[in-house]
Amino acid sequence: AAGVIQSPRHLIKEKRETATLKCYPIPRHDTVYWYQQGPGQDPQFLISFYEKMQSDKGSIPDRFSAQQFSDYHSELNMSSLELGDSALYFCASSAAGTGRIEAFFGQGTRLTVV
Amino acid sequence: RKEVEQDPGPFNVPEGATVAFNCTYSNSASQSFFWYRQDCRKEPKLLMSVYSSGNEDGRFTAQLNRASQYISLLIRDSKLSDSATYLCAVCRAGGTSYGKLTFGQGTILTVHP
Repeated sequence: AAGVIQSPRHLIKEKRETATLKCYPIPRHDTVYWYQQGPGQDPQFLISFYEKMQSDKGSIPDRFSAQQFSDYHSELNMSSLELGDSALYFCASSAAGTGRIEAFFGQGTRLTVV
Repeated sequence: RKEVEQDPGPFNVPEGATVAFNCTYSNSASQSFFWYRQDCRKEPKLLMSVYSSGNEDGRFTAQLNRASQYISLLIRDSKLSDSATYLCAVCRAGGTSYGKLTFGQGTILTVHP
């Protein structure tokens, strides 16, 4: 079965650079979530989209923005990167709009800021 | 205090043992509950949804106690391959937060020969 696809899998950036992470949800899933997981931490919710509209916002820095496109893929844009942004970034998708809220995660993007 | 709390462990058990994890949540608006399994440096994988009536999937049994606001996961006949971090996750009902997960800090399980 198709899963959530994230790219790139690994990314190394320097401080103050920008990064764009991409997420392709499971087909027919209408909701996308972004999570950040630091070393030894649990995943922290950043932002979500339902039917291409932002549906909820968590602890996402103002330097980050995200959007969901007409084909339901989503991108997380990160600017003015800081060392503390180094983490695993997961995208998850669900069919929340149809009541199926089980969320399935992509393999993640490991971002290292140097 | 975190909204979702778990004993971080680690739990070290021999193969074949039965092990149980608990998770407490503080927000009574929480409506949906899940257990995820996460292997080192990999994505959380959905293990089970947790229903009020309790549910079982092979060696795994999940229970929900709404009155005491905790969920549990029981693993019977532990296998070496069960070694992982187990994350409980809760989700509030309705509105724009639908489907947004709040995780506990995870419980580390190591199963040894």
